Amino acid sequence: NAGVTQTPKFQVLKTGQSMTLQCAQDMNHEYMSWYRQDPGMGLRLIHYSVGAGITDQGEVPNGYNVSRSTTEDFPLRLLSAAPSQTSVYFCASRGQGLAGEQFFGPGTRLTVL
Amino acid sequence: AQSVSQHNHHVILSEAASLELGCNYSYGGTVNLFWYVQYPGQHLQLLLKYFSGDPLVKGIKGFEAEFIKSKFSFNLRKPSVQWSDTAEYFCAVNENRDDKIIFGKGTRLHILP
Repeated sequence: NAGVTQTPKFQVLKTGQSMTLQCAQDMNHEYMSWYRQDPGMGLRLIHYSVGAGITDQGEVPNGYNVSRSTTEDFPLRLLSAAPSQTSVYFCASRGQGLAGEQFFGPGTRLTVL
Repeated sequence: AQSVSQHNHHVILSEAASLELGCNYSYGGTVNLFWYVQYPGQHLQLLLKYFSGDPLVKGIKGFEAEFIKSKFSFNLRKPSVQWSDTAEYFCAVNENRDDKIIFGKGTRLHILP
């Protein structure tokens, strides 16, 4: 199993550009989520999904869109990038039950100029 | 809204010293609690978790944590730290009726050899 994979690993955007961060998992997990990690702020939940076709907002959803058309994939879209979205983005998936271990991807480091 | 507080942002210890990192959460219902570790340049890994039963939970690499419901706390402990424990540690909480997992801001631990 590859676990949770994310692409790209690094990305530089100009203000106003759009892009999609890809996330995929091969563990048949229903729950997937996106976090951003900023110095001194820990991990903040952006959006999450409890299964295909179901998404919900986390703590900091503004400026980001998600969709979940399959169990495996959970892309994160930035429609109009802003410098405040410069961050490291982590995707995670969780196994069965609310107490299941959450597995994290390797992260995408995004810089918005 | 649920929140997680980690009291120490940066901790510096010498090898063999004892460690205790504080974590408090703000939700009064049934919760699941987690500690994650992020070693330099790596993604997050689960250290330990609590969801029911014995409030003293043992995790990997000699770490343990104690859930004290009356204090809304889940402090992480290790009797004797090693240089390889240098990392950032995150406490996380999930309400039993919710799917979201919320993280604290993290504690950066630096062990002096």
